[in-house]
Amino acid sequence: EPEVTQTPSHQVTQMGQEVILRCVPISNHLYFYWYRQILGQKVEFLVSFYNNEISEKSEIFDDQFSVERPDGSNFTLKIRSTKLEDSAMYFCASKGQGGSEAFFGQGTRLTVV
Amino acid sequence: GESVGLHLPTLSVQEGDNSIINCAYSNSASDYFIWYKQESGKGPQFIIDIRSNMDKRQGQRVTVLLNKTVKHLSLQIAATQPGDSAVYFCAERTPSNRDDKIIFGKGTRLHILP
Repeated sequence: EPEVTQTPSHQVTQMGQEVILRCVPISNHLYFYWYRQILGQKVEFLVSFYNNEISEKSEIFDDQFSVERPDGSNFTLKIRSTKLEDSAMYFCASKGQGGSEAFFGQGTRLTVV
Repeated sequence: GESVGLHLPTLSVQEGDNSIINCAYSNSASDYFIWYKQESGKGPQFIIDIRSNMDKRQGQRVTVLLNKTVKHLSLQIAATQPGDSAVYFCAERTPSNRDDKIIFGKGTRLHILP
């Protein structure tokens, strides 16, 4: 069964460092998303990406964040200068054209120290 | 502001009993609702969905009920099993030509008592 894969599963970084979280969406999907979940809290929308551009972003997705689809398979989330409060699980999701259900990856746990 | 939320943060149910998890939403324009299950350390997993033109949908051991009049969504799990222990999120989608993003509610943690 096709699935969304994310790497790494856990990333520890020092405050102020840049991190790149990687995702491989399901191959024929066209809509891509990043969500964030701080420990014990709800899943929060960060950004959606369609047709090679950001279609919507939340207040959380400030200038420190960027997304890229560098090739036909990867979808990345970059945090330029990490802060302690960026520590969270980051989930990538994808959805097909005309499909309803978004499929989520297993997440990357980001720990900023 | 938050448009999807849940009534209870934690629900404890005896194994074998039925579980009912509730959710309130505020965006009357939402046309699609989903229940996700999240086990510890994992990503949200799709359980069941319902469109706004329906009021009930059944899956295997799960039923989703939608009451648009009071903007209420519920998930019923029949004969709850230990493997049902997880956090359950309701989520909604508001029609858009841009991204069809899904917005999650706060989550209810379901505890199964032996």
